[in-house]
Amino acid sequence: ETGVTQTPRHLVMGMTNKKSLKCEQHLGHNAMYWYKQSAKKPLELMFVYNFKEQTENNSVPSRFSPECPNSSHLFLHLHTLQPEDSALYLCASSQEQWGFNSPLHFGNGTRLTVT
Amino acid sequence: AQSVAQPEDQVKVAEGNPLTVKCTYSVSGNPYLFWYVQYPNRGLQFLLKYITGDNLVKGSYGFEAEFNKSQTSFHLKKPSALVSDSALYFCAVRDPGSSNTGKLIFGQGTTLQVKP
Repeated sequence: ETGVTQTPRHLVMGMTNKKSLKCEQHLGHNAMYWYKQSAKKPLELMFVYNFKEQTENNSVPSRFSPECPNSSHLFLHLHTLQPEDSALYLCASSQEQWGFNSPLHFGNGTRLTVT
Repeated sequence: AQSVAQPEDQVKVAEGNPLTVKCTYSVSGNPYLFWYVQYPNRGLQFLLKYITGDNLVKGSYGFEAEFNKSQTSFHLKKPSALVSDSALYFCAVRDPGSSNTGKLIFGQGTTLQVKP
């Protein structure tokens, strides 16, 4: 177990659907991150939360809406997605935001397919 | 701006042979460098990091990496590859002196294939 749990593992949704991805970390970390991983492309940072406050939004389209109710939980709400949004969405956490002595711990990801 | 490059999309080695996965970086200050590994259907796992000190750092699963400031490189190495090392490897860099909050930037990844 990685200490970071993501659900669901797989999700297929239509372009008009609304769905949410969930991430939970059991490591006592204070920072949480959403990344998008597409084939043949570098990992794309989407959002960063530190102590429940959003600190970074990497120019992500508004059809992706993050929520961080506490330091242990992170959600990514999805609506009106496009087929090009199909990817592996990875959640990560660390003791402090971008702390050099606190590597990122990743979940196993949610494989999203938009039809 | 900071950046990291992994010049090889794929590396193939025979089991028992040494392996090297290459990484070069560009930062304005002193870099913090990391290697992560991703097995199929899994998230990334931290392997090792270089912050300061000895240029040769040792990490998990017998991997090590050598920081070379003059060549701006941080190549990942292992003396004897195992089939189970087959995975996707990511190099990442942070520039703590940068203005963009020192975020972690990942390379595009190198697929390592170890043949029996």
